[in-house]
Amino acid sequence: AQSVTQLGSHVSVSEGALVLLRCNYSSSVPPYLFWYVQYPNQGLQLLLKYTTGATLVKGINGFEAEFKKSETSFHLTKPSAHMSDAAEYFCAVSDISGYSTLTFGKGTMLLVSP
Amino acid sequence: SQTIHQWPATLVQPVGSPLSLECTVEGTSNPNLYWYRQAAGRGLQLLFYSVGIGQISSEVPQNLSASRPQDRQFILSSKKLLLSDSGFYLCAWSVGHYTGELFFGEGSRLTVL
Repeated sequence: AQSVTQLGSHVSVSEGALVLLRCNYSSSVPPYLFWYVQYPNQGLQLLLKYTTGATLVKGINGFEAEFKKSETSFHLTKPSAHMSDAAEYFCAVSDISGYSTLTFGKGTMLLVSP
Repeated sequence: SQTIHQWPATLVQPVGSPLSLECTVEGTSNPNLYWYRQAAGRGLQLLFYSVGIGQISSEVPQNLSASRPQDRQFILSSKKLLLSDSGFYLCAWSVGHYTGELFFGEGSRLTVL
């Protein structure tokens, strides 16, 4: 069984500040890890994903995440927040079983103030 | 390119009324199809997924059902809505062979009164 824990339902940053959204996972097999973003009243859009290979993954809009197996973490970062980054972010875990039955975290709402 | 359409975008229904939400995918064949529900503060809950026509897997017991009458069509239904069925419903698809990436529709907001 897989699970995802996102620390903090809301994170507030100032424009230009570092963004750090935390994600820890639990999986009995090698995981595939994802970050999705959701803008109000819209569907989810993939930001980035880790499957195999390089543990530092770069995504769209300047976001990146690092897979740390020893810490079972996949935290999302962006060096400088922009107002347009305000949205809800979901971390998700899957595995190599064959079907994309992702398990999502409860989400973290990112608030960006001027 | 592939697209996914979901409708209606918003729906207000009385308790006890039926429900039908539709989702179609274009530009791909034999996709895996999914229905998720999103309730405030509870993240995304997988309701149903389908790996082929007529093949439906249910993740949680509930007042809802799903059908896949055609390869790229996925329908979410209920015979009698409950207040607890209110939420934001998302349809998604993935390629038949595993990639781990889901592509989501724009969602359908259901309010049951």
